[in-house]
Amino acid sequence: EAGVAQSPRYKIIEKRQSVAFWCNPISGHATLYWYQQILGQGPKLLIQFQNNGVVDDSQLPKDRFSAERLKGVDSTLKIQPAKLEDSAVYLCASSLEVGFSYEQYFGPGTRLTVT
Amino acid sequence: GENVEQHPSTLSVQEGDSAVIKCTYSDSASNYFPWYKQELGKRPQLIIDIRSNVGEKKDQRIAVTLNKTAKHFSLHITETQPEDSAVYFCAVTGNQFYFGTGTSLTVIP
Repeated sequence: EAGVAQSPRYKIIEKRQSVAFWCNPISGHATLYWYQQILGQGPKLLIQFQNNGVVDDSQLPKDRFSAERLKGVDSTLKIQPAKLEDSAVYLCASSLEVGFSYEQYFGPGTRLTVT
Repeated sequence: GENVEQHPSTLSVQEGDSAVIKCTYSDSASNYFPWYKQELGKRPQLIIDIRSNVGEKKDQRIAVTLNKTAKHFSLHITETQPEDSAVYFCAVTGNQFYFGTGTSLTVIP
């Protein structure tokens, strides 16, 4: 079974620039998550999609972050404009079932550096 | 929101010894408690999980115990090996999903 795919793997931008990350979950997985993992910390959930609808985005900084899940499959996460504190690894994960109480499969992540 | 505390933040053990990592949480409605292992530069991977209707679960050298009354759960690794060296995260889920702060485990050969 193919895993969760993410691109790009690395991105370096200057503050105030925009950036977008792409995620392709495991085929058939209903739920997709985006996490932000700052160095030395645990991942923080930014947004959860069930199919193409948003279930939870309470920790998404909506003034600069946006996300969508196209046709209930791929997803993009955008930051506009970026700040220095956005430097982190952005992890995408998916799970077969709806809800949090099921195994999540993580992608390799996108390491973002904002200078 | 949920408050998840994980201890210790770093742990060094001799190969063959046991390692124990503990997490506490605040929301009594939390019902699913997974543990993830993250090697340097790699993605988190689930190693074991437990649901709120179970007190203990074991998978070979790894076990998790849950005390719902005290709101804490622990990861136990026995007969540690150098390849167990990694960062371990607990997580707590209910209506939301929260990771702990992580424990960096080093197994000394």
